Amino acid sequence: EAAVTQSPRSKVAVTGGKVTLSCHQTNNHDYMYWYRQDTGHGLRLIHYSYVADSTEKGDIPDGYKASRPSQENFSLILELASLSQTAVYFCASSGTENTLYFGAGTRLSVL
Amino acid sequence: LAKTTQPPSMEAYEGQEVNVSCSHTNIATSEYIYWYRQVPHQGPQFIIQGYKDYVVNEVASLFISADRKLSTLSLPWVSLRDAAVYYCIVTVNYNQGKLIFGQGTKLSIKP
Repeated sequence: EAAVTQSPRSKVAVTGGKVTLSCHQTNNHDYMYWYRQDTGHGLRLIHYSYVADSTEKGDIPDGYKASRPSQENFSLILELASLSQTAVYFCASSGTENTLYFGAGTRLSVL
Repeated sequence: LAKTTQPPSMEAYEGQEVNVSCSHTNIATSEYIYWYRQVPHQGPQFIIQGYKDYVVNEVASLFISADRKLSTLSLPWVSLRDAAVYYCIVTVNYNQGKLIFGQGTKLSIKP
């Protein structure tokens, strides 16, 4: 069974603080993604990566950085968290096709 | 990328067959149709994909009109576990997973 694990599952952060969300996959997939979902809305792509040590900007990259230190791990970094970044964040992995395997999500609240 | 239009919500009773429609009038010849669903507090899950005609797997079937402007996801014998938001996504294959999730169709199941 494909597996994408996110940590933490939930987090409360203070405005201006640094937040790191982690994602680990055991699917041996090359592609990994970070999406955010706001209440009652669809998902929006923040960053993605197709190889270790390289990341690409998605549709809404502003205010976020990403890091892919290995094929299995992909992190999302909020250097200066803001109220507008309160959302649920999903990590996903895929092979070359558009079948994505998602994690269970991280619920981030910025106060 | 083609824009998709889905009904915002649907209701059905357990045991019924449910058909969720998706209009994609500007679909390009290079684009495929993907369906994902998302249950509360989980990430989206891939259901089925197709290019034309009829596709079936163990979970659902997908009918695509001859002009490819309309697709219908069919869920046989729905149960309470099928209550979810269903997303229709149209994009080129091998799109590096950069999927655009719209509002989707919220399916509610009554016992």
